[in-house]
Amino acid sequence: DVKVTQSSRYLVKRTGEKVFLECVQDMDHENMFWYRQDPGLGLRLIYFSYDVKMKEKGDIPEGYSVSREKKERFSLILESASTNQTSMYLCASSTPTSSLGETQYFGPGTRLLVL
Amino acid sequence: AQKITQTQPGMFVQEKEAVTLDCTYDTSDPSYGLFWYKQPSSGEMIFLIYQGSYDQQNATEGRYSLNFQKARKSANLVISASQLGDSAMYFCAMREIGTGFQKLVFGTGTRLLVSP
Repeated sequence: DVKVTQSSRYLVKRTGEKVFLECVQDMDHENMFWYRQDPGLGLRLIYFSYDVKMKEKGDIPEGYSVSREKKERFSLILESASTNQTSMYLCASSTPTSSLGETQYFGPGTRLLVL
Repeated sequence: AQKITQTQPGMFVQEKEAVTLDCTYDTSDPSYGLFWYKQPSSGEMIFLIYQGSYDQQNATEGRYSLNFQKARKSANLVISASQLGDSAMYFCAMREIGTGFQKLVFGTGTRLLVSP
């Protein structure tokens, strides 16, 4: 059974703190993704990685960085958290594909509150 | 311009009735794929159904079917015989050949509430 796990379901941080969100997948997928989800805006891609140490900016990378040191793990980093980064963060993984029908597999999400 | 548009922020349906969730898309790629995901209150996105741009028939998966109208660029999700457990957020998403197949673009979602 496919599995994407995220380190925390709920997280409360203070403005200016450095925040790490961890994602681990056990499917040996090359691709991993970080999205944020906000009401009325849907899911927006922050960053994705197509291999170890490789990353590509998504639609809203400002204020975020990522790290992929191992194939199974993809970390999202908020260098200095701000209140406008309060959101739901979803991690996903997939195989590299030339098939339009290949789905992404999602983790349960992390609800981050920045005070 | 929005790539995926879901115009219904919320929908209500009674148990055992059918419901249609709307999705329109915008692309100039000849090859693309359309997905629907369900997100219950637990947060995890669950893949429901897929339709390819070259598929001749509408996709079906159990109680889910996709009403694909290519000329109108719409890919509406039809849930037949609604159940209480269908209450959730539903997202339409698209993959385009132009993005190299790896990315999905999501709509803003529709919250479905099924009442007894």
